[in-house]
Amino acid sequence: AQKVTQAQTEISVVEKEDVTLDCVYETRDTTYYLFWYKQPPSGELVFLIRRNSFVEQNEISGRYSWNFQKSTSSFNFTITASQVVDSAVYFCALSEGGTGTASKLTFGTGTRLQVTL
Amino acid sequence: KAGVTQTPRYLIKTRGQQVTLSCSPISGHRSVSWYQQTPGQGLQFLFEYFSETQRNKGNFPGRFSGRQFSNSRSEMNVSTLELGDSALYLCASSLVEFGEKLFFGSGTQLSVL
Repeated sequence: AQKVTQAQTEISVVEKEDVTLDCVYETRDTTYYLFWYKQPPSGELVFLIRRNSFVEQNEISGRYSWNFQKSTSSFNFTITASQVVDSAVYFCALSEGGTGTASKLTFGTGTRLQVTL
Repeated sequence: KAGVTQTPRYLIKTRGQQVTLSCSPISGHRSVSWYQQTPGQGLQFLFEYFSETQRNKGNFPGRFSGRQFSNSRSEMNVSTLELGDSALYLCASSLVEFGEKLFFGSGTQLSVL
């Protein structure tokens, strides 16, 4: 069965520090997508990035970067020069091809990031 | 364009009652899914609807049901409420292709007393 593990429950950093959020996944499918979502206090989940299982490349977008490694089943997320507005709960999620649907995501338990001045 | 709209934002019910939550997806999105978020169980998939048909269902009892209308709007219903049903219920809409990102609403916070 699919599983997503976010071992870090809570991380506190001082503004401008870099922070990496870890995500490890388990799946038997060869076709899958991985996602990162952010949940600010307002409650809605905000999409950040997705990666499919066929493209093992890292990506940088502004202050955000992602490291996808199939060999270790990891999909880690780094925020460079963190800001107070980055404070939120971050979720890693997995969507398997076998489900036949875009919408059935398996979420990790989330990592609460607190950025202070 | 308008995002996913969920109503009501907050709801307080007592045990044994039933509740209906509403979700209006982003225009053009035909897939609507529902998630339950609790401190203990985290985010869990409830079900997904596409073209008025349930395409997928999570591991929840039959007290949880839903439907989708021809305009893609969706409702979920919980009958015979239990204390453990207290949660944030999130609706998401998306295009139908596998791997598409989900757009979430702000959720309905349900408290069962």
